[in-house]
Amino acid sequence: DAGVTQSPTHLIKTRGQHVTLRCSPISGHKSVSWYQQVLGQGPQFIFQYYEKEERGRGNFPDRFSARQFPNYSSELNVNALLLGDSALYLCASSSQGGYGYTFGSGTRLTVV
Amino acid sequence: SQQGEEDPQALSIQEGENATMNCSYKTSINNLQWYRQNSGRGLVHLILIRSNEREKHSGRLRVTLDTSKKSSSLLITASRAADTASYFCATVVSFNDYKLSFGAGTTVTVRA
Repeated sequence: DAGVTQSPTHLIKTRGQHVTLRCSPISGHKSVSWYQQVLGQGPQFIFQYYEKEERGRGNFPDRFSARQFPNYSSELNVNALLLGDSALYLCASSSQGGYGYTFGSGTRLTVV
Repeated sequence: SQQGEEDPQALSIQEGENATMNCSYKTSINNLQWYRQNSGRGLVHLILIRSNEREKHSGRLRVTLDTSKKSSSLLITASRAADTASYFCATVVSFNDYKLSFGAGTTVTVRA
């Protein structure tokens, strides 16, 4: 079975640009969460979606938005990129609640 | 802010030795999970311990949880070079709160 798939693997953007990151959860998993991991730190929660509804949002500005599609895949959008948005963005899927998260390999975003 | 804090920040051991790392957290929890991360890529779920459990084992891993002290420990026995990675604890406050709150991690280096 395929794991959690994230695309792209790496990308470089310029300050002020917009970026869209994509995530496909494990088949059957209806919950998708997004995390930001800055170098040297632990992941920080950004969003959680379940059955296409937002269930939680972390302490991130409105420049960050996300959505979940009918097939449970998800997109994370970041507008007006700042240098501080450079990080590894991780997607995690789960079949139930706060148990059994499976993470993707992440998207490494560099803002220059 | 991060819920969990790992100690030590870094650990270097010889192959075959045991590695122990600790995690402290601030609020009562539903469960606590340990993850491994190799070279800044995706997180791998290692073990989950519920708030009503005190100890769990999985292969060479042993996790303890002391809810009175709000702390957990991860023991890796008979370490191998492949155990070289960063290890994170993550807490879930309640079953209906899907958010994982991570600490800053412990970097473990296993020397051959």
